[in-house]
This record gives sequence, structure tokens and C-alpha cells, in this order.
Amino acid sequence: QSALTQPASVSGSPGQSITISCTGTSSDVGGYDYVSWSQQHPGKAPKLMIYDVTYRPSGVSNRFSGSKSGNTASLTISGLQAEDEADYYCSSYTSYSTLYVFGTGTKVTVL
Amino acid sequence: QLQLQGSGPGLVKPSETLPLTCTVSGGSISSSGHYWAWIRQPPGKGLEWIGSISYSGNTYYNPSLKSRVTISVDTSKNQFSLKLRSVTAADTAVFYCARLYCGAGSCYLDHWGQGTLVTVSS
Repeated sequence: QSALTQPASVSGSPGQSITISCTGTSSDVGGYDYVSWSQQHPGKAPKLMIYDVTYRPSGVSNRFSGSKSGNTASLTISGLQAEDEADYYCSSYTSYSTLYVFGTGTKVTVL
Repeated sequence: QLQLQGSGPGLVKPSETLPLTCTVSGGSISSSGHYWAWIRQPPGKGLEWIGSISYSGNTYYNPSLKSRVTISVDTSKNQFSLKLRSVTAADTAVFYCARLYCGAGSCYLDHWGQGTLVTVSS
């Protein structure tokens, strides 16, 4: 069971939109609508931003949205703000015995 | 409000066993559809799934760590625990306990502990 693949870094200017990809297989991302996205600021625990591909927990800005096509899920941050600068991790249920798997992580930089 | 509090030694010697405990408050560990998970993050690196356990004791381990890991649950204390054997410096990490909800067409990590830094060094 390998980690889901994410780009190492993505950057954008304030106000712009950026998209982070998360590529897996038919045993995880492609096979189930159970992809989540978490945001992690330095020294902090991750915070759930998107779950089940497209759903936002209460209190999460609607500037964050998720989607999926085939074996690749995506997180889009619109109207980029300085506070969005953080690491982002996708994760997914997997049919392998491990039950759950993380992505490799993406560092988002606001220019 | 559910809270998870991890605890354990901050320093473990190489070749020894790393023991961590997570205490759950504000909710029952014996709830259906919930799995209690351990996740680690080496300094400057990404998140790694270690494994999880259901309240009934079913376990799910990362194959890369399975030979050295045991996760257990104590429903009477509302706690779950991790033991990582034969540690080396490469096991130095922040260890998070978390709750995974998987049921009714949904599956996601909805609560995290604050993280416990464990350093492996002599």
C-alpha cells in the first residue's frame, strides 16, 4: 500500500485560485468517495477541511472545495489568503488491510 | 466536545519499546462506526498512518510497521494504546492519536489529539 501522490508544493498570489491533486488507485481514491483533505500549520495538529470528496465541516470556509475524477482527487482554494499558507494532506479509505492511507503532502505558499 | 489526549515518554532508547496512550473524553470509545487511530509525523516530513483499532478490538496496521506495532483498547478507561517495538532514530516523530469515523457512507478523521513528540536516542 503506497501513499497517495501529491505535488510537493503549490503557490499562488492573494486572491488567486489554486488546485492540489491527489492521485491514488482504484483500491482507494478511485474506488470510494471517501477522500478527505486536511490543513496543517507548523507545530499544529491537522485540521479537517473536506471529507467524503466534497463536503465541508461546519466552520470551514466555502473558499475550500473538493472534487474527484477517476483515481485523482483535487482540492481547490479560491480567493487565496495569507492564512491559507500551510501543508495540505489528502487521505482516503482503502480496501487494503491497512484501512486508511495519507497523501505525501503539499506545501502551499502564498506569494 | 470530544477530546483526545495522548501521553507517553518523550524519550525512548534505541531497541526499546515506545509506549503511548490516548485518553478519550467527551464521548465513548465504544461507539459503532468509530476507529481509534495512531498517526506519526517525523520532523519535517509528512503524515504516516500507523494503524487503528475498533472498540471491539479489530486492528488494521500499516504493512511497513505491522511487525513492530501493537494497538490495543481499554474500554473501561476510555483509552487506546500504541506499542512500537525495537525503535531506532528513524522512529523519532510527533505521534498523533485520532478518531476515524467510517460508517453510513462516510469515512474521515474527524478528531485529533494535540500530538506527542517522541525522540529515540541513547
